[in-house]
Amino acid sequence: AQSVSQHNHHVILSEAASLELGCNYSYGGTVNLFWYVQYPGQHLQLLLKYFSGDPLVKGIKGFEAEFIKSKFSFNLRKPSVQWSDTAEYFCAASSGGSYIPTFGRGTSLIVHP
Amino acid sequence: EAQVTQNPRYLITVTGKKLTVTCSQNMNHEYMSWYRQDPGLGLRQIYYSMNVEVTDKGDVPEGYKVSRKEKRNFPLILESPSPNQTSLYFCASSRDNRLTFFGQGTRLTVV
Repeated sequence: AQSVSQHNHHVILSEAASLELGCNYSYGGTVNLFWYVQYPGQHLQLLLKYFSGDPLVKGIKGFEAEFIKSKFSFNLRKPSVQWSDTAEYFCAASSGGSYIPTFGRGTSLIVHP
Repeated sequence: EAQVTQNPRYLITVTGKKLTVTCSQNMNHEYMSWYRQDPGLGLRQIYYSMNVEVTDKGDVPEGYKVSRKEKRNFPLILESPSPNQTSLYFCASSRDNRLTFFGQGTRLTVV
């Protein structure tokens, strides 16, 4: 079965620290990859997406992610986090046969000022 | 404005009392889905629909029903809610497998 795994369930950082959240997927074939963010009390917002082409994807708010096909990974990074990045982050994937993405369990990020 | 609208946003109900959470999209999307979000479990798909009158079970369909009588609406029905269905529910729609729009969420509490 297709699945998405996020290895970090809770991450606590200080402001200005660098961030990397892991995401692995188990899809075969062509895959579309996403990172969503959910700020406290709000709905999901798309941070960035990868469909094809350059494996290094830049998204909003200074986030980026790198697609490494050989590792089935799509890790999210940010060089310097801010307090306002405190949120829950979800990795998701969809493939040609699935039009609604499958989500990972999410990573709760807390950034201390 | 393109959007997915869920109602209600918040609902408290009692065990066994049938309820419906509505979902409507104005983008003429074929694909719609319901998720529930629980702490530590992420978003799990309940049901999805590929088009009008075409629905299928997701990962956690037990205790839920859906219908897709028209393209824009995809209501989630709980015939006999139980406390383990207390959760945050999201409706989603997409035109293809590349971009999904989410509703604002419905926080349901079953007591």
